[in-house]
Amino acid sequence: AQKVTQAQTEISVVEKEDVTLDCVYETRDTTYYLFWYKQPPSGELVFLIRRNSFDEQNEISGRYSWNFQKSTSSFNFTITASQVVDSAVYFCALSVAPRGSGGYNKLIFGAGTRLAVHP
Amino acid sequence: DTEVTQTPKHLVMGMTNKKSLKCEQHMGHRAMYWYKQKAKKPPELMFVYSYEKLSINESVPSRFSPECPNSSLLNLHLHALQPEDSALYLCASSQDGGLDTEAFFGQGTRLTVV
Repeated sequence: AQKVTQAQTEISVVEKEDVTLDCVYETRDTTYYLFWYKQPPSGELVFLIRRNSFDEQNEISGRYSWNFQKSTSSFNFTITASQVVDSAVYFCALSVAPRGSGGYNKLIFGAGTRLAVHP
Repeated sequence: DTEVTQTPKHLVMGMTNKKSLKCEQHMGHRAMYWYKQKAKKPPELMFVYSYEKLSINESVPSRFSPECPNSSLLNLHLHALQPEDSALYLCASSQDGGLDTEAFFGQGTRLTVV
């Protein structure tokens, strides 16, 4: 089965707190890609990061960092010194190529974590 | 230009109406997608077009009919919808539809079926 689990439905923090969003995935594929997307109230999903199954290096981009651990099938996302503008729904997603698709992909999303950052 | 543009932004339609959702991108992407997102749920794939051919249909009811007139445009024709079809319909595009390519999403069309 291919599945993404985001166990945290909603998180509420006060500005400047650090917050970690959890993501656990399941796949039998040896080559796969994981993504994080942000969905603000306006509706569009904004791409944040891509990680392939062979690259376990952690990544930092400004206040954002990601921790990928194949041993625990997790791809967690940390926001340091959170800001009100970080308030959004965050989705972790697994890219898969369904049988019969000719190799074209679809994203399987987790349920999402709604982050509310209060002033 | 890294935008995916969807029109209209909001649509209210009756169960007997026929309407169309439109999506446009000018990034030279060769894969385009329709996702459906119910309130407080994640997006779910409906269709994938790659190089203007339908590659994936996730067993979507025939009252939803996709069309890809050219590599920049993607339409979703709606006919005889049900109230449970009310949702946010998101269009996306990616470079070539490969496993590693990130998708760029539009802001969506909020559809209400009455």
